Amino acid sequence: GESVGLHLPTLSVQEGDNSIINCAYSNSASDYFIWYKQESGKGPQFIIDIRSNMDKRQGQRVTVLLNKTVKHLSLQIAATQPGDSAVYFCAENSRSNDYKLSFGAGTTVTVRA
Amino acid sequence: NAGVTQTPKFQVLKTGQSMTLQCAQDMNHEYMSWYRQDPGMGLRLIHYSVGAGITDQGEVPNGYNVSRSTTEDFPLRLLSAAPSQTSVYFCASSYSANLNTEAFFGQGTRLTVV
Repeated sequence: GESVGLHLPTLSVQEGDNSIINCAYSNSASDYFIWYKQESGKGPQFIIDIRSNMDKRQGQRVTVLLNKTVKHLSLQIAATQPGDSAVYFCAENSRSNDYKLSFGAGTTVTVRA
Repeated sequence: NAGVTQTPKFQVLKTGQSMTLQCAQDMNHEYMSWYRQDPGMGLRLIHYSVGAGITDQGEVPNGYNVSRSTTEDFPLRLLSAAPSQTSVYFCASSYSANLNTEAFFGQGTRLTVV
């Protein structure tokens, strides 16, 4: 079946460095992708999204890149801060799947002081 | 504007007991859904609703029932709790079922079945 997955379950980053979190997906019909951040004891919180007709989108300190050729999505966090420590999930949906969100397993990001 | 509110935050059940997890949103969102989150598995969709009076099954619906009598509320019922249902449950809502829009999540209910 279709799936969404992250390449690495954990990522340790030095404060101030840039972070890159990767995600692979298998549904070629996916037309919407979202990155969520989940802090300990809280629900997932929207970070940034991108539609399939785009290959890059920038927010505040975050950039999402979409490569539909290899079905790969990445989240880049600039100048990582201690508050960026969290679990990051990629998710996707498509009209062919009734817009149901499908989540990857998550990457735990730890920021070292 | 409270967003998505889930109650209770924590619950311990004995095997075989039933209970209802409450979810309410005040954003007039059409689309509501329930997920469970287990270690290393991300979020898995249990049930969802595209509007009042309409519900459908997700990836892992067995052992759970839902109803959507109003736009605001989407309760999840465990009929006969089992230890395999020990998990963290999240309710989410989004503006529309037919557009790609951001999902807003509640704070979660941590359920332990003993």
